[in-house]
This record gives sequence, structure tokens and C-alpha cells, in this order.
Amino acid sequence: QVQLLQSGAEVKRPGASVKVSCKTAGYTFTNYGINWVRQAPGQGLEWMGWISTYDGNTNFAPKFRGRVSMSRDTSTTSAYMELRGLRSDDTAVYYCAREGGLYSGTLLDWGQGTLVTVSS
Amino acid sequence: QSVLAQPPSVSGAPGQTVTISCTGTSSNIGAGHDVHWYQQLPGTSPKLLMFGTNNRPSGVPDRFSGSKSGTSASLAITGLQAEDEADYYCQSYDSSLGGSVFGPGTKVTVL
Repeated sequence: QVQLLQSGAEVKRPGASVKVSCKTAGYTFTNYGINWVRQAPGQGLEWMGWISTYDGNTNFAPKFRGRVSMSRDTSTTSAYMELRGLRSDDTAVYYCAREGGLYSGTLLDWGQGTLVTVSS
Repeated sequence: QSVLAQPPSVSGAPGQTVTISCTGTSSNIGAGHDVHWYQQLPGTSPKLLMFGTNNRPSGVPDRFSGSKSGTSASLAITGLQAEDEADYYCQSYDSSLGGSVFGPGTKVTVL
């Protein structure tokens, strides 16, 4: 079955960077894009961006451009999201999600989430 | 502040019908972009509930249905059950922003 397994929780200082991984299994990795979505404590979902697992093209939400990068490794069927210049309001659970199907933007499956805490 | 608007909460007794609205603009829903819905049970990851306005993934009960008109979409839950108590999010693509957007979410409470 489809699995998206994310890396463990992180605690970072303000100004630092964090890199979250998303290891996938159970499907053809390069046939489906990966989206990253975050959720601050007690808040809603916020779309951060997308990466094509086929060619590595990316598209980021305007709010994160210049501060986020996304990459993938086809040999290990993994995707990565790095956020730089962390601030306290970046404290959130970060999710990777597999996108695909007939309808654009459909997030078919989600990882279990990675809690990133930014605190001095 | 999201470009998609949802009511913060809706509630209903078991067996009743509740409807969640998702109001957008001419840059997203009104432009004909697909609308999807996700259910997030407490303490869990979101789960795809409805895609392409009114299509249910396998395993989603037919008590859930979706519709769209103009710049708005709706999710209806008929025959409300205790297990439906969750947060529900709509999602679409926004041409002005050049990416996906989520609504702020609606908490469904079963009385």
C-alpha cells in the first residue's frame, strides 16, 4: 500500500534551518508530485509548495519563496523540504502529500507529519 | 487570511444533515479550478474526502456529497454520525497566487 513516512520531530533555534524528509513506498515515485503543507498549533492547513518528482520542477507559495527549497531523490523515492531563517511562527506540523489523479491538485495520501518547534 | 472562506463551525444531531460552504473568487473556484475536500480527525493527518467537486475516493461513505456553483462549493454530510466529528478543509487552485489554497477549515460537531 502507499506509504509516506516522514522524519522525526525537530527543535530549532530562531534563524536556523530545518530539512524534513518524506520517504515514499507502494507506488511509482516519479508518476506523482509531492506537496508540502503545514499546520501551526490549533490552526488550519497552509500550502507551502510542490515538487515534480519526475524532473524536480518546483512551485512555491508566495509567502515562502526565497526561504524554502524542495528536492527529491529518485533512487531512494524520497522528497525533502528545507525551510531557512526559522522564526517562532514557523512552529508547526509539516506534512508531505502525494498529488495525482485526474483532477489537478488532489492530495491522495499524506505523511504522518513532522513537528518542527522553533524556540530560543 | 485565506482566499477561500468557510464557516468556523457547524453542528447537528445524529442523523441530521449539515452543509459546509467554501466561498472563493473568480481566481479560484469561479475560474473553474477543481475543488477538493479533506477530513482531519483529532490528532491525525488530513485525509482526502472528496475530489473534483463531487467524487468520493473508495471507502468514503456516500453520506458525503459535494457540489459547486459559481464561486462557491459545498460539502454535505447526510445522516450525521458521531465518527464524522472532525475538521473539514476545502482546497482549490488560485490563478493569482499561482498555487493551491486551503480554506480555514470547519469544525463539525455532532450534538
